[in-house]
Amino acid sequence: EPEVTQTPSHQVTQMGQEVILRCVPISNHLYFYWYRQILGQKVEFLVSFYNNEISEKSEIFDDQFSVERPDGSNFTLKIRSTKLEDSAMYFCASSPFPGQGDSNQPQHFGDGTRLSIL
Amino acid sequence: DQQVKQNSPSLSVQEGRISILNCDYTNSMFDYFLWYKKYPAEGPTFLISISSIKDKNEDGRFTVFLNKSAKHLSLHIVPSQPGDSAVYFCLGGNDKIIFGKGTRLHILP
Repeated sequence: EPEVTQTPSHQVTQMGQEVILRCVPISNHLYFYWYRQILGQKVEFLVSFYNNEISEKSEIFDDQFSVERPDGSNFTLKIRSTKLEDSAMYFCASSPFPGQGDSNQPQHFGDGTRLSIL
Repeated sequence: DQQVKQNSPSLSVQEGRISILNCDYTNSMFDYFLWYKKYPAEGPTFLISISSIKDKNEDGRFTVFLNKSAKHLSLHIVPSQPGDSAVYFCLGGNDKIIFGKGTRLHILP
């Protein structure tokens, strides 16, 4: 079964540095998402992306965050100047269609990148 | 802003018995609800969904019940198996999906 893959599995970065988290969505999917989960807290939506532009973003997704689909396969999340509070698991997801009204078209998640800011 | 609430952080169930995971929501605009399962060090995986126009959806050992008047849904797993030990997330969706905090299910031998 096709999978969403995320690299690296663990990223350690100094505070203030830029970090790029990479995701390869499932190849025929058109909608892409980033979520994060701070340790001990719930999974939070960050941003959705379709047709090379952001379709929706949360309050968390401020000017320090950006997303890009630089080629036909990768979907990246960049944090420009990392803060200690950016430490979290970051999950990428993709789906063929927006939303999930059809039980056969759920969002598929990668295994996450653990980002540790020192 | 807790639009989706899972009030039980953990649940222990004997293998072979029924596991019932509960979820309450406040946003009556959700079009659908989903349950995801998550193992440590892995991303959430989709289990089952239900449209807001239905009150029950069944898939093998998993059944989701939706009570719109009570704004409550539940996931029933029967019979429970050791591999069901995981964190279960209830999600509500319209334009985007909102996660609950999760319930850790332990299946006891």
